[in-house]
Amino acid sequence: DIQMTQSPSSLSASVGDRVTITCRASQSISRYLNWYQQKVGKAPKLLIYAASSLQSGVPSRFSGSGSGTDFTLTISSLQPEDFATYYCQQSDSIPSVTFGGGTKVEIK
Amino acid sequence: QLQLQESGPGLVKPSETLSLTCTVSGGSISSSSYYWGWIRQPPGKGLEWIGSIYYSGSTYYNPSLKSRVTISVDTSKNQFSLRLNSAADTAVYYCASFFFGPGRRYYFDSWGQGTLVTVSS
Repeated sequence: DIQMTQSPSSLSASVGDRVTITCRASQSISRYLNWYQQKVGKAPKLLIYAASSLQSGVPSRFSGSGSGTDFTLTISSLQPEDFATYYCQQSDSIPSVTFGGGTKVEIK
Repeated sequence: QLQLQESGPGLVKPSETLSLTCTVSGGSISSSSYYWGWIRQPPGKGLEWIGSIYYSGSTYYNPSLKSRVTISVDTSKNQFSLRLNSAADTAVYYCASFFFGPGRRYYFDSWGQGTLVTVSS
């Protein structure tokens, strides 16, 4: 099974900050990596697919990079509506998938 | 845009079977571009993939839950269902559509609102 490890598990940041979240796979997954945003009490929402492709309608301040085992999600200028929990998810072994443990972005 | 809606009991006794159904609207569950999945989230914790099914009935399960899980599909009703034996896990259960298309487009693109299932006597 492919394991996904996110870091940090939580972070505190201010509006306007640049935020970076990392996700590491236990084996190479090429670029089969997605990022989701989940707000409290809501279902997750797709932000980035295939490591760096922005889902339609997602603001351009979100970006993704990486390949193989190491990936990052970057928010270039944190906005109030971006405070949420972010999850990575590998799609290398579809239809079996795995989620990372999540990163909670909180207000400093 | 697909819409998905979970339904089923919100309270299950320990060791009994948890049963949920997901109704799909806005598209056909027989689409060749989708798998249909169940994901759960214990309160305050992360997401865990339970399993997925294709409209043909082919199923794929999380190895850690495989012995307890059955996912089925009813194409005539545009629904798919989850059965989890020996319930012990209070969580929000989500159903979701998993799209697979060209250009490494493999992702969950539509989710139900989620339903809380409490396991308690």
